[in-house]
Amino acid sequence: AQKVTQAQTEISVVEKEDVTLDCVYETRDTTYYLFWYKQPPSGELVFLIRRNSFDEQNEISGRYSWNFQKSTSSFNFTITASQVVDSAVYFCALSEFMDSNYQLIWGAGTKLIIKP
Amino acid sequence: NAGVTQTPKFRVLKTGQSMTLLCAQDMNHEYMYWYRQDPGMGLRLIHYSVGEGTTAKGEVPDGYNVSRLKKQNFLLGLESAAPSQTSVYFCASSLMVNQPQHFGDGTRLSIL
Repeated sequence: AQKVTQAQTEISVVEKEDVTLDCVYETRDTTYYLFWYKQPPSGELVFLIRRNSFDEQNEISGRYSWNFQKSTSSFNFTITASQVVDSAVYFCALSEFMDSNYQLIWGAGTKLIIKP
Repeated sequence: NAGVTQTPKFRVLKTGQSMTLLCAQDMNHEYMYWYRQDPGMGLRLIHYSVGEGTTAKGEVPDGYNVSRLKKQNFLLGLESAAPSQTSVYFCASSLMVNQPQHFGDGTRLSIL
């Protein structure tokens, strides 16, 4: 069963539009962590945010914001006033305890294309 | 600021050949990881290490072996390469469990 679902395979918007990337996860744990990473066309993976299951406060960092809702098992990512440099693949990941340690389970990613 | 360094960046192998991918980190991190990334599938954990001298299996360990003889290095070996192992391999490290992982630039491996 897929534990992290990023249903949007690809999103294309025009620069300055707002865009939301969805992430739905599945876990039986009460303690877990959620992450977002960015993979620009150059290929490296860049950490964006970590959220633990006990902290449901929304987070804002500049044009980026994250909405964590345990009730719907979602951890969505919004970019406000998108820019061409935001073009990348964005991954959501769930850290879950399995086989005596925590392991990251990754979503398939959402490719975001920002057109000028 | 080296961070996590992977060697080599590209490699082409023939089926049945063996090779070792090297990962080195200079951040004194305890945890290290090897992932593979295939199109449309996100990253999948191959093996990981929670400290020097330790290794553990991840989601897709078959066909790979690892070693962590020194804290800063994590080696991934393919004993007999198969076309199904064609992928981009990423190494990562983190200070402790559930801390952000820092990634290398990846190794693009093709098995013919």
